[in-house]
Amino acid sequence: DIQMTQSPSSVSASVGDRVTITCRASQRISTWLAWYQQKPGKAPKLLIYAVSSLQSGVPSRFSGSGSGTDFTLTISSLQAEDFATYYCQQASSFPHTFGQGTKLEIK
Amino acid sequence: QITLKESGPTLVKPTQTLTLTCTFSGFSLSTSGVGVGWIRQPPGKALEWLALIYWDDDKRYSPSLKSRLTITKGTSKNQVVLTMTNMDPVDTATYYCAHVDYGDFRLDYWGQGTLVTVSS
Repeated sequence: DIQMTQSPSSVSASVGDRVTITCRASQRISTWLAWYQQKPGKAPKLLIYAVSSLQSGVPSRFSGSGSGTDFTLTISSLQAEDFATYYCQQASSFPHTFGQGTKLEIK
Repeated sequence: QITLKESGPTLVKPTQTLTLTCTFSGFSLSTSGVGVGWIRQPPGKALEWLALIYWDDDKRYSPSLKSRLTITKGTSKNQVVLTMTNMDPVDTATYYCAHVDYGDFRLDYWGQGTLVTVSS
């Protein structure tokens, strides 16, 4: 299985801050990388797919980048509704593994 | 619009078989390029990918659980069924189904999830 490692595991930030979350794959996954946001008690929501493609309806303050094994999710200016847990997922090979999650908390 | 909803028992005993149904609307599993996947999440833990079935009945499983999982199209055209045998307390989790876009495998629509507890 491809291992996905996110860092940090948790981060505290304030509204208006720029935040970057990193995801590293244990082997090259080309552009088969997606990001999901999950709020407590809710299903995950797709934010970004194919590394940098924004899912319809997702605000443009979310962006993704990277290639090979290293990827980032950036939130350019945090809003109150962005405080949640974020997961990366690879779709290069089965099983389509997820990272362990990054919890974004209010400072 | 696309919606999915999971259904099944909320409590199962150890060693029993779990059967979950994903009932969906807004798309057809007969349409080329469409799939339905299952993902689970133990309380307070990360997401775990379980299985996927495509429009052409191709199926993929997590290797660590493959011997225990079966994914099938349901008797109704708008259903997918996941069975997991020999349930254990560590299988306690919220189970989600999701619409999968075959082109890039994105999980773009999710059900609300159903919590399954394994306990005697």
